[in-house]
Amino acid sequence: EIVLTQSPGTLSLSPGERATLSCRASQSVSSSYLAWYQQKPGQAPRLLIYGASSRATGIPDRFSGSGSGTDFTLTISRLEPEDFAVYYCHQYGSSPPWTFGQGTKVEIK
Amino acid sequence: EVQLVESGGGLVQPGGSLRLSCAASGFTFSIYRMNWVRQAPGKGLEWVSYISSTSSDIYYADSVKGRFTISRDNAENSVYLQMNSLRAEDTAVYYCARDSRPRGITGTAHYDYWGQGTLVTVSS
Repeated sequence: EIVLTQSPGTLSLSPGERATLSCRASQSVSSSYLAWYQQKPGQAPRLLIYGASSRATGIPDRFSGSGSGTDFTLTISRLEPEDFAVYYCHQYGSSPPWTFGQGTKVEIK
Repeated sequence: EVQLVESGGGLVQPGGSLRLSCAASGFTFSIYRMNWVRQAPGKGLEWVSYISSTSSDIYYADSVKGRFTISRDNAENSVYLQMNSLRAEDTAVYYCARDSRPRGITGTAHYDYWGQGTLVTVSS
């Protein structure tokens, strides 16, 4: 099983600042099958990034993903008020179980 | 518009059973693979089960293997999760989620659409 470790657990930032979230895998994620989701309280997760760096439909370009192998990053270039939420990485490599990181909460400082 | 609507959650005693349903609309359900993902209160996401478009491939997380059964009815545009021998640790919101790749596209996929979830509480 591939274990995903996200850091930091909580990120305290102000609107307009840059957010950098990390997701590290216990073994290489095949073909960059790595996605990022945003979740707000009481809501379902929303797809942001897939294939490590491709933005999903309708996602603003302030969200970007990068990385390969075992190290992946989600960057939010300038935080908007609606971006304060929990973010999860997800690996969907060739074999189950497919796993999620434990989440990073981006909170208002 | 793609919609996934879960139902069937509720309060059940340990050892009991529950059947969750997920009704799909707004897309050709029969060609998409589907998943169940759960989230315990205040916790992260956990993949639970997967079913291919024709039900030929089915997978489960070790935590539910032997107790949960996933199935689908393409005529009814629905996917189901039969949960038996429920435990307190199965308490969670259960989401159905669509694999982004339709049948004919190889490889695994991220989840592009999610339902709003249904809460399952296992308690005496």
